[in-house]
Amino acid sequence: GENVEQHPSTLSVQEGDSAVIKCTYSDSASNYFPWYKQELGKGPQLIIDIRSNVGEKKDQRIAVTLNKTAKHFSLHITETQPEDSAVYFCAASIPFGNEKLTFGTGTRLTIIP
Amino acid sequence: DTGVSQDPRHKITKRGQNVTFRCDPISEHNRLYWYRQTLGQGPEFLTYFQNEAQLEKSRLLSDRFSAERPKGSFSTLEIQRTEQGDSAMYLCASRAGDRNYGYTFGSGTRLTVV
Repeated sequence: GENVEQHPSTLSVQEGDSAVIKCTYSDSASNYFPWYKQELGKGPQLIIDIRSNVGEKKDQRIAVTLNKTAKHFSLHITETQPEDSAVYFCAASIPFGNEKLTFGTGTRLTIIP
Repeated sequence: DTGVSQDPRHKITKRGQNVTFRCDPISEHNRLYWYRQTLGQGPEFLTYFQNEAQLEKSRLLSDRFSAERPKGSFSTLEIQRTEQGDSAMYLCASRAGDRNYGYTFGSGTRLTVV
């Protein structure tokens, strides 16, 4: 089955700087790659996603890039703000059967004021 | 209703007791998923419904776990004879059948078995 690895497990950046989180996946059939933000005691919230027919997608301060050949995708957050502090998860999904999400192990992002 | 609702938010139970959680998905979403999340880990797939049919169960779902989705609306997840290892956050997610739509997660039910 699919396996998703995520790095780093923790990341601290100064407010205003950029943060980058990287994920790799194992199954070349995966074609949907969402990123979720999870705050303490809450469920994961979708912040951005990308499908395998595009290489990059941007939404304000957040962008995701996908390299299908290398089977990795990355989350980029620019101009970080204190409210960006949370745990971020990447995930991958194969486009047949149950289309379940396979998650990475998460990155705890801390924005230092 | 614009989100996925889960009830209860927190549940503390004694080992050996049965517990049941409820998930109300977004009304037009025909696909419903249950995930389990332990501390410091990403959510892990448990089971999947398309309308009222339970189409897949993970190996993580032992015989003590059962899930239903009567009439393709809300879903319940029951754990019988709870064990301390069942302590986790149980998350429900739903999505429409159209692959252009992503998954929406509920806030989860935090289970603590003492």
